[in-house]
Amino acid sequence: DAGVIQSPRHEVTEMGQEVTLRCKPISGHDYLFWYRQTMMRGLELLIYFNNNVPIDDSGMPEDRFSAKMPNASFSTLKIQPSEPRDSAVYFCASAQGIAYEQYFGPGTRLTVT
Amino acid sequence: GENVEQHPSTLSVQEGDSAVIKCTYSDSASNYFPWYKQELGKRPQLIIDIRSNVGEKKDQRIAVTLNKTAKHFSLHITETQPEDSAVYFCAATKSNFGNEKLTFGTGTRLTIIP
Repeated sequence: DAGVIQSPRHEVTEMGQEVTLRCKPISGHDYLFWYRQTMMRGLELLIYFNNNVPIDDSGMPEDRFSAKMPNASFSTLKIQPSEPRDSAVYFCASAQGIAYEQYFGPGTRLTVT
Repeated sequence: GENVEQHPSTLSVQEGDSAVIKCTYSDSASNYFPWYKQELGKRPQLIIDIRSNVGEKKDQRIAVTLNKTAKHFSLHITETQPEDSAVYFCAATKSNFGNEKLTFGTGTRLTIIP
């Protein structure tokens, strides 16, 4: 397996624009996680899915953020409208279960100017 | 919910010496404790994990100890090498309780001094 795949790897956009981050989990993994990492706030869990169903979205900062998982092999994290404070590295991870190894993707470095 | 505290936030160790990072957790029902290593510019990767039915686990130069009574667990790295320089995250969760999320500590930046 190629591991968790994320795209794009880098995204630079202007404030107010819509940003869509994409993730393909490892085949057979039932759990998918979206994290945000910044120097100030560390590694934050935004939302996670189990069998394509959102389970906990308490980490989503505000209504500008939304995430979907239309099928077992694809998930998106959307920010609309984007703001400079959204600049961060966004990681997607997948796992066989909550108490199992999480495999992280390479991350998307988002810069909002 | 679970709260995980990690100390120290930064640690510098002479090459060849040992490094110890400590974490405490709040939920006595937590039973799975992984450690992740994140090298500069890379993704976090699991290096070792422990479940609450054991008190210690080793994998070559790294080991994790768990004290359920005190609700703390530690990562031990012996004979440190330059490639051990990274940020280390501890985490905790409880399985068999439905969909409980993994709670991460705030990370320890470990620097190995040649």
